[in-house]
Amino acid sequence: SYELTQPPSVSVSPGQTATITCSGDKLRHRYASWYQQKPGQSPILIIYEDKKRPSGIPERLSGSNSGNTATLTISGTQATDEADYYCQAWDRRTVIFGGGTKLTVL
Amino acid sequence: QVQLIQSGAEVKKPGASVKVSCKVSGYTLTELPIYWVRQAPGKGLEWMGGFDPEDGETVYAQKFQDRVTVTEDTSTDTAFMELSSLRYDDTALYYCARRQLFAYFFDSWGQGTLVTVSS
Repeated sequence: SYELTQPPSVSVSPGQTATITCSGDKLRHRYASWYQQKPGQSPILIIYEDKKRPSGIPERLSGSNSGNTATLTISGTQATDEADYYCQAWDRRTVIFGGGTKLTVL
Repeated sequence: QVQLIQSGAEVKKPGASVKVSCKVSGYTLTELPIYWVRQAPGKGLEWMGGFDPEDGETVYAQKFQDRVTVTEDTSTDTAFMELSSLRYDDTALYYCARRQLFAYFFDSWGQGTLVTVSS
């Protein structure tokens, strides 16, 4: 079965750039989406179709997908960005989520 | 304004069934399908199933194939997820999420329904 692999945790200093990766076999051939989930809240969509942002998502959040890796980049990281981040893709008719990455803003 | 409002928390005994509802507003259920995702305490997101508009069939994750049923009542714009033969490790938050038509992401989520399996 298809799998998406994320690092369990990433740490970043305020104002710096955070990079969260999501790896899967030939992921570039699939659309990757990203969700942000803060404690006690439902996930929200922050990136879809590799690099598109829904309305209301700041430009400092960006996505890319190349080779076997999709990447979520958060520029000028703020304390409010501290959350869990999940990548997601489709395999045939099934939905695959990565295991999630906890972003800590130190 | 799009909203997905789920039913309240449930406590069930092992072996029982639970049915969670998700009422949508701001659009109609016939326009865009609902999928179901769960999250065990302290764990990640796990897809369970949903209605695939591309072939008009409901699809389920293999893990839940024999125990989950996803249905819809279009007259009330309410989607349902029923999970049977509950086990302790089914204790989780269950989310409904809206899938855009012929797209591969979920753009709106319900608030989650906590299902606790306890004897």
